[in-house]
Amino acid sequence: EVQLLESGGDLVQPGGSLRLSCVASGFTFRNYAMSWVRQAPGKGLEWVSAVSGRGGDTYHADSAQGRFTISRDNSKNTLFLQMNSLRAEDTAVYYCAKDGYGSGRPRAPDVWGQGTTVIVS
Amino acid sequence: AIHLTQSPSSLSASVGDRVTITCRASQAISSALVWYQQKPGKAPNLLIYDASSLQNGVPSRFSGSGSGTDFTLTISSLQPEDFATYYCQQFNEFPLTFGPGTKVDFK
Repeated sequence: EVQLLESGGDLVQPGGSLRLSCVASGFTFRNYAMSWVRQAPGKGLEWVSAVSGRGGDTYHADSAQGRFTISRDNSKNTLFLQMNSLRAEDTAVYYCAKDGYGSGRPRAPDVWGQGTTVIVS
Repeated sequence: AIHLTQSPSSLSASVGDRVTITCRASQAISSALVWYQQKPGKAPNLLIYDASSLQNGVPSRFSGSGSGTDFTLTISSLQPEDFATYYCQQFNEFPLTFGPGTKVDFK
């Protein structure tokens, strides 16, 4: 069974930093691109960042560009999101998600974790 | 960025109803669109990929259609477990973008 387990969410002050982690199991991690998607309280889904299967290509939403860095450690089946200069508007549930289309350019998730909550206040 | 709109933003329906949700893209995206279902407090669940292909394990009452700029998600006979919020997402280009969602609740 494919499983994604996020951790690292916390309450942080504006301007602070957090590092989210997502441990994957049940599939060959390096064969799939991965994404982070967030959802602010009572709001819709917002794509944040994505990385190719080998980790060489990364993509960020404008809201994350320059502040967030996505990375992965394929030897540990783990995805990361380093978040710096956090703002109140970054408050959200952050989901780790496996791409449904393979290791190349990220397209769309087919499996999501349960989410980890980030509160910036 | 490609902007997605969904209509309606919410709808009230009864068990057994046929429900149709539309998603419109601000520019042509071929068939680079997926549909998700999300229930309160839960992660999204993939229903349809490539605009019209049914994800494994998803009931056949769900179907998708469309290409270019106009897309449709149809639930042929609404079941109690289908009351949820539905999102479309495009992957034709970065940034990946989601529609604002359509909430389906009890009439």
